[in-house]
Amino acid sequence: DAGVTQSPTHLIKTRGQQVTLRCSPISGHKSVSWYQQVLGQGPQFIFQYYEKEERGRGNFPDRFSARQFPNYSSELNVNALLLGDSALYLCASSLEPDRINTEAFFGQGTRLTVV
Amino acid sequence: AQRVTQPEKLLSVFKGAPVELKCNYSYSGSPELFWYVQYSRQRLQLLLRHISRESIKGFTADLNKGETSFHLKKPFAQEEDSAMYYCALRSGANNLFFGTGTRLTVIP
Repeated sequence: DAGVTQSPTHLIKTRGQQVTLRCSPISGHKSVSWYQQVLGQGPQFIFQYYEKEERGRGNFPDRFSARQFPNYSSELNVNALLLGDSALYLCASSLEPDRINTEAFFGQGTRLTVV
Repeated sequence: AQRVTQPEKLLSVFKGAPVELKCNYSYSGSPELFWYVQYSRQRLQLLLRHISRESIKGFTADLNKGETSFHLKKPFAQEEDSAMYYCALRSGANNLFFGTGTRLTVIP
């Protein structure tokens, strides 16, 4: 099993553009969460999806959106990019969100640079 | 609101010395706490969780509700322990709140 896979690994965008990041969870995992990690900070929760429905949303503007597909993969979209959106975007998958002590498995992340 | 505080951004210890990485939390409910580790050029991975009360790679962490702390400890540090360590609190449906992390360097 390759674990959680994210694509692309790196990308550079210009201010005002839109970007789509992709995540494939571990086989059998139905929950996907997205985190933003700015340099020098810990990961910050953006979204969680379970069974194709949004289960949680962090304190991020509406420019951020996501969805989950029937095969449980997920996309994170960011519109009208700002310089401050430059960060490492992490995807994490888990079996079920409400199971106590459930472990989240992280991908390698997508490094987004906005210029 | 939940908050996780790791007061030390950097921590250096000599090989064989004890190490303690501090974590304090603020949460109104019953907390689930975790330690995640990121070794150089590797992905973030779970080290241990308070519910399991386990020792992983010689590390232990005890939840102290009175002091709202979940410090990570190891009696004898090894060079391979050098990494970035994040304390995290699980809130609601598997949403993790992370601290800012502590970079541990074990000096040979």
